[in-house]
Amino acid sequence: GAGVSQSPRYKVAKRGQDVALRCDPISGHVSLFWYQQALGQGPEFLTYFQNEAQLDKSGLPSDRFFAERPEGSVSTLKIQRTQQEDSAVYLCASSFRQGGNTEAFFGQGTRLTVV
Amino acid sequence: AQSVAQPEDQVKVAEGNPLTVKCTYSVSGNPYLFWYVQYPNRGLQFLLKYITGDNLVKGSYGFEAEFNKSQTSFHLKKPSALVSDSALYFCAVRDMAGRRALTFGSGTRLQVQP
Repeated sequence: GAGVSQSPRYKVAKRGQDVALRCDPISGHVSLFWYQQALGQGPEFLTYFQNEAQLDKSGLPSDRFFAERPEGSVSTLKIQRTQQEDSAVYLCASSFRQGGNTEAFFGQGTRLTVV
Repeated sequence: AQSVAQPEDQVKVAEGNPLTVKCTYSVSGNPYLFWYVQYPNRGLQFLLKYITGDNLVKGSYGFEAEFNKSQTSFHLKKPSALVSDSALYFCAVRDMAGRRALTFGSGTRLQVQP
Protein backbone atom coordinates (compact mmCIF):
# COMPACT_ATOMS: atom_id res chain seq x y z
CA GLY A 1 0.00 0.00 0.00
CA ALA A 2 0.88 3.65 -0.10
CA GLY A 3 1.52 3.94 3.62
CA VAL A 4 1.30 2.20 6.96
CA SER A 5 -2.29 1.21 7.66
CA GLN A 6 -3.70 0.60 11.12
CA SER A 7 -7.08 -0.75 12.13
CA PRO A 8 -9.34 -0.05 13.79
CA ARG A 9 -8.83 3.72 13.98
CA TYR A 10 -10.83 3.89 17.20
CA LYS A 11 -11.57 1.21 19.76
CA VAL A 12 -13.62 1.45 22.94
CA ALA A 13 -13.15 -1.47 25.29
CA LYS A 14 -14.70 -2.27 28.63
CA ARG A 15 -12.20 -2.81 31.42
CA GLY A 16 -11.15 -6.43 31.41
CA GLN A 17 -11.85 -6.98 27.72
CA ASP A 18 -9.16 -8.25 25.34
CA VAL A 19 -8.33 -6.16 22.24
CA ALA A 20 -6.32 -6.73 19.08
CA LEU A 21 -4.83 -3.92 17.04
CA ARG A 22 -3.65 -4.50 13.49
CA CYS A 23 -0.82 -2.94 11.52
CA ASP A 24 -0.18 -3.31 7.78
CA PRO A 25 3.31 -1.95 7.10
CA ILE A 26 4.55 -0.60 3.81
CA SER A 27 5.18 -3.54 1.49
CA GLY A 28 8.76 -4.76 1.67
CA HIS A 29 9.62 -3.00 4.89
CA VAL A 30 11.80 -5.17 7.08
CA SER A 31 11.50 -3.34 10.37
CA LEU A 32 8.28 -2.78 12.30
CA PHE A 33 7.78 -0.88 15.54
CA TRP A 34 4.92 -0.37 17.96
CA TYR A 35 4.72 2.77 20.10
CA GLN A 36 2.24 3.96 22.73
CA GLN A 37 1.36 7.65 22.84
CA ALA A 38 -0.47 8.94 25.90
CA LEU A 39 -2.39 12.20 25.67
CA GLY A 40 -0.03 15.16 25.54
CA GLN A 41 3.09 13.00 25.44
CA GLY A 42 5.57 11.79 22.90
CA PRO A 43 5.40 8.21 21.60
CA GLU A 44 7.01 5.57 23.80
CA PHE A 45 8.55 2.42 22.39
CA LEU A 46 6.81 -0.89 22.97
CA THR A 47 8.37 -3.51 20.70
CA TYR A 48 10.39 -4.05 17.50
CA PHE A 49 10.34 -6.72 14.78
CA GLN A 50 12.86 -7.47 12.09
CA ASN A 51 10.88 -9.53 9.60
CA GLU A 52 9.07 -12.10 11.77
CA ALA A 53 11.57 -12.00 14.63
CA GLN A 54 10.68 -9.94 17.68
CA LEU A 55 14.10 -8.57 18.56
CA ASP A 56 13.16 -6.14 21.29
CA LYS A 57 10.13 -6.20 23.56
CA SER A 58 11.66 -4.23 26.39
CA GLY A 59 9.01 -1.50 26.19
CA LEU A 60 5.97 -3.70 26.74
CA PRO A 61 4.54 -2.45 30.04
CA SER A 62 3.25 -5.78 31.32
CA ASP A 63 2.67 -9.38 30.38
CA ARG A 64 -0.84 -8.37 29.31
CA PHE A 65 0.73 -6.93 26.16
CA PHE A 66 1.69 -9.28 23.37
CA ALA A 67 2.73 -8.63 19.76
CA GLU A 68 3.30 -10.88 16.80
CA ARG A 69 4.30 -10.69 13.14
CA PRO A 70 4.14 -14.31 12.05
CA GLU A 71 4.85 -13.90 8.34
CA GLY A 72 7.04 -10.84 8.50
CA SER A 73 4.42 -8.43 7.19
CA VAL A 74 1.18 -7.73 9.09
CA SER A 75 1.56 -7.31 12.84
CA THR A 76 -0.96 -7.53 15.66
CA LEU A 77 -0.67 -5.97 19.10
CA LYS A 78 -2.87 -7.72 21.63
CA ILE A 79 -3.77 -6.38 25.04
CA GLN A 80 -5.40 -8.76 27.48
CA ARG A 81 -7.65 -7.74 30.35
CA THR A 82 -7.49 -4.07 29.43
CA GLN A 83 -7.11 -1.48 32.18
CA GLN A 84 -7.92 2.22 32.16
CA GLU A 85 -4.22 3.09 32.08
CA ASP A 86 -4.00 1.32 28.70
CA SER A 87 -6.02 4.15 27.13
CA ALA A 88 -3.71 5.75 24.57
CA VAL A 89 -3.00 6.00 20.86
CA TYR A 90 -1.06 2.98 19.59
CA LEU A 91 1.22 3.81 16.68
CA CYS A 92 2.81 1.40 14.27
CA ALA A 93 5.83 2.34 12.15
CA SER A 94 7.86 0.53 9.52
CA SER A 95 11.16 1.12 7.80
CA PHE A 96 12.78 -0.41 4.75
CA ARG A 97 16.17 -1.30 6.10
CA GLN A 98 17.55 -2.68 9.30
CA GLY A 99 19.98 0.18 9.78
CA GLY A 100 19.38 2.64 12.56
CA ASN A 101 19.84 5.61 10.25
CA THR A 102 16.70 4.82 8.28
CA GLU A 103 13.62 6.88 9.00
CA ALA A 104 10.43 5.11 10.03
CA PHE A 105 7.04 5.77 8.47
CA PHE A 106 4.11 5.92 10.87
CA GLY A 107 0.50 4.90 10.57
CA GLN A 108 -2.36 7.09 11.79
CA GLY A 109 -2.66 5.09 14.97
CA THR A 110 -5.42 3.32 16.87
CA ARG A 111 -7.00 5.33 19.66
CA LEU A 112 -7.91 2.92 22.46
CA THR A 113 -10.27 4.08 25.18
CA VAL A 114 -10.87 1.74 28.10
CA VAL A 115 -14.06 2.48 30.05
CA ALA B 1 20.15 5.30 28.18
CA GLN B 2 19.03 7.88 25.66
CA SER B 3 16.75 10.85 26.21
CA VAL B 4 15.39 13.93 24.47
CA ALA B 5 14.28 17.22 25.95
CA GLN B 6 12.02 19.72 24.23
CA PRO B 7 12.02 22.59 26.71
CA GLU B 8 9.09 24.50 25.21
CA ASP B 9 5.59 23.08 25.31
CA GLN B 10 4.43 25.76 22.90
CA VAL B 11 6.00 28.18 20.46
CA LYS B 12 4.08 31.07 18.91
CA VAL B 13 5.34 33.02 15.92
CA ALA B 14 3.81 35.39 13.40
CA GLU B 15 3.43 34.26 9.80
CA GLY B 16 6.48 35.23 7.76
CA ASN B 17 8.79 35.33 10.79
CA PRO B 18 11.55 32.80 11.37
CA LEU B 19 10.79 29.95 13.77
CA THR B 20 12.94 27.78 16.03
CA VAL B 21 11.83 24.69 17.93
CA LYS B 22 14.43 23.55 20.43
CA CYS B 23 15.70 20.05 21.13
CA THR B 24 18.53 18.69 23.23
CA TYR B 25 19.49 15.06 23.53
CA SER B 26 21.52 12.63 25.58
CA VAL B 27 23.06 9.40 24.31
CA SER B 28 26.06 7.39 25.41
CA GLY B 29 27.47 7.11 21.89
CA ASN B 30 26.92 8.98 18.62
CA PRO B 31 23.37 10.00 17.78
CA TYR B 32 21.02 9.63 14.90
CA LEU B 33 18.55 12.54 15.22
CA PHE B 34 15.11 12.99 13.68
CA TRP B 35 12.30 15.51 13.54
CA TYR B 36 8.69 14.45 13.00
CA VAL B 37 5.52 16.55 12.70
CA GLN B 38 2.03 15.48 13.81
CA TYR B 39 -1.15 17.09 12.52
CA PRO B 40 -4.49 16.48 14.32
CA ASN B 41 -5.76 12.92 13.86
CA ARG B 42 -2.79 12.10 11.69
CA GLY B 43 0.25 9.93 12.20
CA LEU B 44 3.74 11.25 12.60
CA GLN B 45 5.31 12.53 9.39
CA PHE B 46 9.07 12.47 8.88
CA LEU B 47 10.65 15.92 8.34
CA LEU B 48 14.41 15.42 8.40
CA LYS B 49 17.28 13.51 9.96
CA TYR B 50 20.91 13.90 10.94
CA ILE B 51 23.10 10.86 10.42
CA THR B 52 26.59 12.16 9.76
CA GLY B 53 28.34 14.83 7.75
CA ASP B 54 27.06 18.38 7.39
CA ASN B 55 25.75 19.82 10.62
CA LEU B 56 23.00 21.69 8.78
CA VAL B 57 20.34 19.32 7.52
CA LYS B 58 17.60 20.35 5.10
CA GLY B 59 14.26 18.60 5.05
CA SER B 60 10.68 18.76 3.86
CA TYR B 61 8.52 21.90 3.59
CA GLY B 62 11.48 24.26 3.93
CA PHE B 63 12.51 23.07 7.38
CA GLU B 64 16.11 22.64 8.42
CA ALA B 65 17.91 21.65 11.60
CA GLU B 66 21.38 22.26 12.95
CA PHE B 67 23.30 19.56 14.77
CA ASN B 68 25.55 20.93 17.50
CA LYS B 69 27.61 18.21 19.14
CA SER B 70 29.15 20.37 21.86
CA GLN B 71 25.74 21.60 22.99
CA THR B 72 24.02 18.25 22.27
CA SER B 73 21.31 20.12 20.43
CA PHE B 74 19.33 19.64 17.23
CA HIS B 75 17.08 22.69 16.88
CA LEU B 76 14.48 22.82 14.10
CA LYS B 77 14.31 26.03 12.07
CA LYS B 78 12.46 27.63 9.22
CA PRO B 79 13.26 31.06 7.77
CA SER B 80 9.64 32.07 7.14
CA ALA B 81 6.74 30.43 8.97
CA LEU B 82 3.41 29.60 7.36
CA VAL B 83 0.06 29.27 9.12
CA SER B 84 -0.07 25.72 7.75
CA ASP B 85 3.08 24.88 9.75
CA SER B 86 0.96 24.95 12.91
CA ALA B 87 1.22 21.43 14.35
CA LEU B 88 2.92 19.31 17.01
CA TYR B 89 6.63 18.73 16.49
CA PHE B 90 8.63 15.86 17.96
CA CYS B 91 12.38 15.47 18.17
CA ALA B 92 13.73 11.90 18.44
CA VAL B 93 17.10 10.26 18.97
CA ARG B 94 18.62 6.86 18.45
CA ASP B 95 22.04 5.83 19.72
CA MET B 96 24.12 4.51 16.81
CA ALA B 97 25.31 1.61 18.93
CA GLY B 98 22.13 1.15 20.89
CA ARG B 99 18.67 -0.22 20.35
CA ARG B 100 16.82 0.32 17.11
CA ALA B 101 13.85 2.17 18.57
CA LEU B 102 13.56 5.93 18.68
CA THR B 103 13.28 7.88 21.91
CA PHE B 104 10.97 10.86 21.48
CA GLY B 105 10.69 14.18 23.26
CA SER B 106 7.41 15.30 24.74
CA GLY B 107 6.62 17.50 21.76
CA THR B 108 6.33 21.23 21.05
CA ARG B 109 3.13 22.74 19.75
CA LEU B 110 3.88 25.36 17.11
CA GLN B 111 1.26 28.03 16.54
CA VAL B 112 1.77 30.34 13.58
CA GLN B 113 -0.47 33.37 13.78
CA PRO B 114 -1.72 35.13 10.63
